[in-house]
This record gives sequence, C-alpha cells and structure tokens, in this order.
Amino acid sequence: DAGVIQSPRHEVTEMGQEVTLRCKPISGHDYLFWYRQTMMRGLELLIYFNNNVPIDDSGMPEDRFSAKMPNASFSTLKIQPSEPRDSAVYFCASSFWRGPARFGPGTRLLVL
Amino acid sequence: SQQGEEDPQALSIQEGENATMNCSYKTSINNLQWYRQNSGRGLVHLILIRSNEREKHSGRLRVTLDTSKKSSSLLITASRAADTASYFCATAWGGSEKLVFGKGTKLTVNP
Repeated sequence: DAGVIQSPRHEVTEMGQEVTLRCKPISGHDYLFWYRQTMMRGLELLIYFNNNVPIDDSGMPEDRFSAKMPNASFSTLKIQPSEPRDSAVYFCASSFWRGPARFGPGTRLLVL
Repeated sequence: SQQGEEDPQALSIQEGENATMNCSYKTSINNLQWYRQNSGRGLVHLILIRSNEREKHSGRLRVTLDTSKKSSSLLITASRAADTASYFCATAWGGSEKLVFGKGTKLTVNP
C-alpha cells in the first residue's frame, strides 16, 4: 500500500490565514487520528474518527480548529484563523480496530 | 493528560550494547504499542502487545508487559547507530481506540 498520505508536507503562512491539512488513510482502515507534535507538549491527540464519524475531539485546542472526514478515504484538519502558537508538525494516522496505527509523514506548519 | 510515561527521557549507549526503555501507564489497557521516530520523520510502529500477553519479540526487539505494575519495557539488543531515534509507547484503554502517546525516550547509539 502507499501508506498514509498527507499534504502539504510543508506550509508557511501568516497569522490570521486559513490553513487546511489533508490526509488520505490506508484503504480498509476504519480509524483515523490527527495528532500535533511540538517540543513543549509532545505528541497530542487532537481528534479521531471511526467509520468517518468523529468519536473524540476533546484534544482540539479551540474553536479555531475543525476536522472533517467526508468519506473513508479523505480527511481535513482546518485552522481558521491561524496563530503562531499553532506552529507544529501535524500527523495523520490510520488503523483498523485494535490494530497498530500507521502514520503519515506529517505536515510541518509554520505560522508567522 | 499523558497516559503513558517513558523512562528515561534520554539514553546514550555504545554500539553493540543493549538499550532498555520503560513505560508506565495509569489505567487498564487494551494494548500497548511501541513506536520509533527518527528526527524530522513520522512515527513507525514497532510492536503491539495485548493486555493478555506478557512478552513479544520482533528481531532485536523484545517487549514485556506487566499489567499488575502497569508497566512495559522495550529492549533493543546489540544496538546499532541506526537505532538512534526517539521511542514512544502508546496506550488505548477501556472500550476506546483513543491512542495516547508518552513523551518518549531519546536514544543515542554512538558508533
């Protein structure tokens, strides 16, 4: 398989702009996770989906963040408006039930 | 809050030596997973051990799980410079698939 695909790989934007991160999970996986990684806070789970339905979004930092999964092969994480403290690496991962999570390469976001 | 916590935070060893990393967690788990992350890269899954298993092997990796102590260890035998990376444990608990990571152990293997 092609693995989990994320785009873009790098994003540089200015404060206040909208940022959209994209993820294509592994075909057949029914769980999708969005994580954020920073030096200070480590790897934080933002939200996860099961069969395209959001199950737990308690890690989403605030209303500026939203995530959708319109179908089994695509998910987006949107930040609007973006702030410098959102700068981080954002990972998408997918898995089947009770299986290992497979991670994408991440999107490195820098908000100026 | 973090479910799993790795120990030590950093470990530096010589090539050929064994490396042991520990993970402690708080609540009953479905399974515990170990991942590796090379600098600037994504996480790679190493081993998944289920709550009813005590030990698992994969190549030079050995993972143990002690549910009574709520702890797990990852042993890398005969380490190589290429093993230099951060190692994370992750747990899911209850009926949930919510996979939460610790802060990792940064392993440096000196040639």
